[in-house]
Formats: sequence, structure tokens, C-alpha cells
Amino acid sequence: KAGVTQTPRYLIKTRGQQVTLSCSPISGHRSVSWYQQTPGQGLQFLFEYFSETQRNKGNFPGRFSGRQFSNSRSEMNVSTLELGDSALYLCASSLAGSRYTEAFFGQGTRLTVV
Amino acid sequence: LAKTTQPISMDSYEGQEVNITCSHNNIATNDYITWYQQFPSQGPRFIIQGYKTKVTNEVASLFIPADRKSSTLSLPRVSLSDTAVYYCLVGGHTGTASKLTFGTGTRLQVTL
Repeated sequence: KAGVTQTPRYLIKTRGQQVTLSCSPISGHRSVSWYQQTPGQGLQFLFEYFSETQRNKGNFPGRFSGRQFSNSRSEMNVSTLELGDSALYLCASSLAGSRYTEAFFGQGTRLTVV
Repeated sequence: LAKTTQPISMDSYEGQEVNITCSHNNIATNDYITWYQQFPSQGPRFIIQGYKTKVTNEVASLFIPADRKSSTLSLPRVSLSDTAVYYCLVGGHTGTASKLTFGTGTRLQVTL
């Protein structure tokens, strides 16, 4: 079956702009989580959506937001971009309620803010 | 969440068995131990998960002693393609990818 799909793969934006990233989870997976990965901070949890509701949130400013649609696809938005937002943004889907916490990650979107 | 400590890097030759140990002294009773593998510019990939004793799948084995304060990921006969960063995670298994805490990981370099 198809894996987690993230689009676009690469983005270049200017400071102050906003950006929207998309994630299509594995079919049947209802939980979608987003992570930011940078060389300095490593992998950090942004938020999780389940059944169109944000269920958990990491320690990021309000400029980072997301949503989930009825088909479980998710988007995350970053407004007023800063240079420090340059990172690999990863989406992970899971079959919530499964016995093991096996998260399936997409290839990520590489965002560069200039 | 339990903090994990792993070696920053390891080197191995192709064909050898590699053991990466992770310390998690503050592991809680309901915490599971999970290992992920990550290649550059890709998302992490689930390798194996366990609670106690030994777990084996087609790619790795996970050894967990009785006190569960550490765990060892064993990769049999590594190849060049196993060069990656390996993360040890400890936490309750919620069935989701929510709030996973990734440490710095162990960078494994496999050479000929």
C-alpha cells in the first residue's frame, strides 16, 4: 500500500511569508503527527491530529498551526516565516489503537527560509 | 518522559554484527522501548519495539534486561545500506506517533 505522502518535497520562502505543507497518511490511518527536524534541535513534536481534532501539541509558537480533513489528510501552516523555521518538516501517520506505536513517516518537506 | 542516552556514533565493517546500547534509567512501568532508523533527508523508519526480554524481527533484535534500564539493538551482518542514524525512544505506547521524544541518536557508519 502507498506510504505517507508529503508535498511539496522542497520549498523556498522569504521571511515574513506564510507556507502550507500537506500530508496524506496511509489509507486507514486516522492519526497524523507533525515533526520539525533541524540540525541544532533534532526531531521535535509539533502537533497531532486525530479525527479532525488537534489532540496533542508541542512547544511551538502560535505561528505553527494545522488541520485535518475528513479523509485524514492533514496540512500544517507556518505564518510570518523566520529564518529559524528552515527545517525538514515530517509527517507521521499511525493506526491509532494498534498494539504497537509504529509510526510511519513521510519523506518530509525541506523548507528553506531566506 | 524517560530520557535516553546512546553513543553519538559507531563505526563498523560490512558483515559484522552491530550492537547499539541505550540507557533509560527512569523508564516507567508502562513504557515501551522503540527503535527507529533514519537516512539523510528521509523520515525515520520503525525498526523494532519491545517491553521486556528479547524481541526479534526480520531486520533486528532487541534485548531488554530484567531491570529495563537499558536496551540493546542488534543488527546482524550489517551492510553499507545500514549506514544511518538510529534512535532509541522510550514511552507509553499510545498507538500513535504523538509526542515521540527523539534524542540525538547514534550515527552508524558502515564501511567495506
